[in-house]
Amino acid sequence: DIQMTQSPSSLSAAVGDRVTITCRTSQNIYDYLNWYQQKPGQAPKLLIYAASTLQRGVPSRFSGSGSGRDFTLTISSLQPEDFATYFCQQSYSAPPHTFGQGTKLEIK
Amino acid sequence: QVQLVESGGGVVRPGRSLRLSCTTSGFAFSNNAMHWVRQAPGKGLEWVALISYDGRNTQYVDSVKGRCTISRDNFKNTLYLEMNSLRAEDTAVYYCARTIYYSGSGTAFDIWGQGTLVTVSS
Repeated sequence: DIQMTQSPSSLSAAVGDRVTITCRTSQNIYDYLNWYQQKPGQAPKLLIYAASTLQRGVPSRFSGSGSGRDFTLTISSLQPEDFATYFCQQSYSAPPHTFGQGTKLEIK
Repeated sequence: QVQLVESGGGVVRPGRSLRLSCTTSGFAFSNNAMHWVRQAPGKGLEWVALISYDGRNTQYVDSVKGRCTISRDNFKNTLYLEMNSLRAEDTAVYYCARTIYYSGSGTAFDIWGQGTLVTVSS
């Protein structure tokens, strides 16, 4: 199975900051990488698929990049509603559809 | 409005069974593969099972193989997860999720239900 490693596990940032979260996979997954946002008590929400394609309705301050084994999720200017946990997920070698362990983004 | 609503969770003793349901509306259910994903309290996401649009193909994570069965009723627009021989480590919120496809074979989960909590405890 493909292993997913996100970093950092947690992150403190202020409103307006630029934030980057990384996801590294144990083998090449090309661009078969998705990002989700989850707020407490809510279901995950798809933000980005195919490494860099923004899901409909997601604000343009979110962006994704990368291919192969290394991927990033960037929030260009943090808004109060962006404080949440973010997960990456691969679909190249699936099933199983493996997720990263999550990055909790907290207010500084 | 596209909607997925899970039900059937609850407290169950180890070794017992439970059937989860996911009632869908607002889209052509019979055209979409569907998944179950779970999240143990305070933990990350774990994919559990998938079923093809027509129900002919199913896949499971190793930890539930032989104990869980995913199924669907395309006339009722409903997805199911039958869980047997439940263990404490099955305690989690269970989400159903819809598949979208990209780049030929890539998949993502674009619509999720609100989840139903399964607690396995004596």
